[in-house]
Amino acid sequence: GAVVSQHPSWVICKSGTSVKIECRSLDFQATTMFWYRQFPKQSLMLMATSNEGSKATYEQGVEKDKFLINHASLTLSTLTVTSAHPEDSSFYICSARRSRVEKLFFGSGTQLSVL
Amino acid sequence: RKEVEQDPGPFNVPEGATVAFNCTYSNSASQSFFWYRQDCRKEPKLLMSVYSSGNEDGRFTAQLNRASQYISLLIRDSKLSDSATYLCVVSRGDLRNSGNTPLVFGKGTRLSVIA
Repeated sequence: GAVVSQHPSWVICKSGTSVKIECRSLDFQATTMFWYRQFPKQSLMLMATSNEGSKATYEQGVEKDKFLINHASLTLSTLTVTSAHPEDSSFYICSARRSRVEKLFFGSGTQLSVL
Repeated sequence: RKEVEQDPGPFNVPEGATVAFNCTYSNSASQSFFWYRQDCRKEPKLLMSVYSSGNEDGRFTAQLNRASQYISLLIRDSKLSDSATYLCVVSRGDLRNSGNTPLVFGKGTRLSVIA
């Protein structure tokens, strides 16, 4: 079956640093990838829709200059949390769907802890 | 109003019990519906899709009522391994028309099955 790989699984960083999270589709081309964030005991909140070769579409309330999304190829999307602060500490997870196939494949998630 | 709302939970039930989860969604344009389960700090895993005619997969039965925008999941003869958070998931539109259509997650309902 299709697999989505997400890296890293865990990140601990100092406040003010930037963190890049990678999401790769391993055996299919993903024209669209979705980035979600999950705080403890909360639901997965959609942050943005990442489209290959074009700008991402951000959800209301998500700062596009803080959460930079790049989808430069059909198999890779990256999320960069710029100047991370403790309130950005969360579980970030990407997902992708093969075109015209409904099932959404998820990466294993990245737990970000900002000190 | 939230796009997807679920029972707040948690549900604590003995092994063998039948448990029902309820979910409502606000977007009448939604066309695809799913139940996912999520174990602590792991990626969500698709449990089953939900169809208007209702569908069953072993001990799990899902129902959809488009008129009332209501989705349900029934688990019969619950097992210890069913302990997880159950997420009601709804598409924002029609997945078949656009690969950009995101999925929106409910907050989830935590289930604990007790021996």
